Amino acid sequence: DAGVIQSPRHEVTEMGQEVTLRCKPISGHDYLFWYRQTMMRGLELLIYFNNNVPIDDSGMPEDRFSAKMPNASFSTLKIQPSEPRDSAVYFCASSLGRTFSYEQYFGPGTRLTVT
Amino acid sequence: GNSVTQMEGPVTLSEEAFLTINCTYTATGYPSLFWYVQYPGEGLQLLLKATKADDKGSNKGFEATYRKETTSFHLEKGSVQVSDSAVYFCALLPGAGNMLTFGGGTRLMVKP
Repeated sequence: DAGVIQSPRHEVTEMGQEVTLRCKPISGHDYLFWYRQTMMRGLELLIYFNNNVPIDDSGMPEDRFSAKMPNASFSTLKIQPSEPRDSAVYFCASSLGRTFSYEQYFGPGTRLTVT
Repeated sequence: GNSVTQMEGPVTLSEEAFLTINCTYTATGYPSLFWYVQYPGEGLQLLLKATKADDKGSNKGFEATYRKETTSFHLEKGSVQVSDSAVYFCALLPGAGNMLTFGGGTRLMVKP
């Protein structure tokens, strides 16, 4: 099993540019989570999906952020336009839901730097 | 609401020392409790879990007991190794819902 796959691993962009982060969850998992990690705020849940449907997006900071899950094997997190304060490590995680011990499997993260 | 409070780090220990990282929580109902570990440059990995009061989770020499009376889930290891150096996160999953609430993380540094 390849685990949760995220791309790119590193992204450097200029303020105002659009940024798209990608995630491939573990095959068969029905939940997908997007997190952001910074020194100041720690680990924050941005949004999560169940069976490709967004369930809770209350953690999305503002309208500049959007997330989609067009199918069970792919999700994107888009920031448009990006700002320096968006610099963080973004993690995607997937799980098999409550029935199977709730364990979330995290990807390696995308380190985003907005200059 | 739900919250998790961890001791602030960094925690610096010598190899073979005893480790305790404190974690307390606030939650309604009967949450499940977790410890995740993040090694440098990697995502979080589940270390251990407990789903009901008095359960003890254990893995790789680490242990934590779900104490409902003190709303705590402290992480312990009898003899740490340099390879245990990482950031440790305590988390809870409420009885209803699928959103983990994480503590702020505690960095552990083990020196040879």
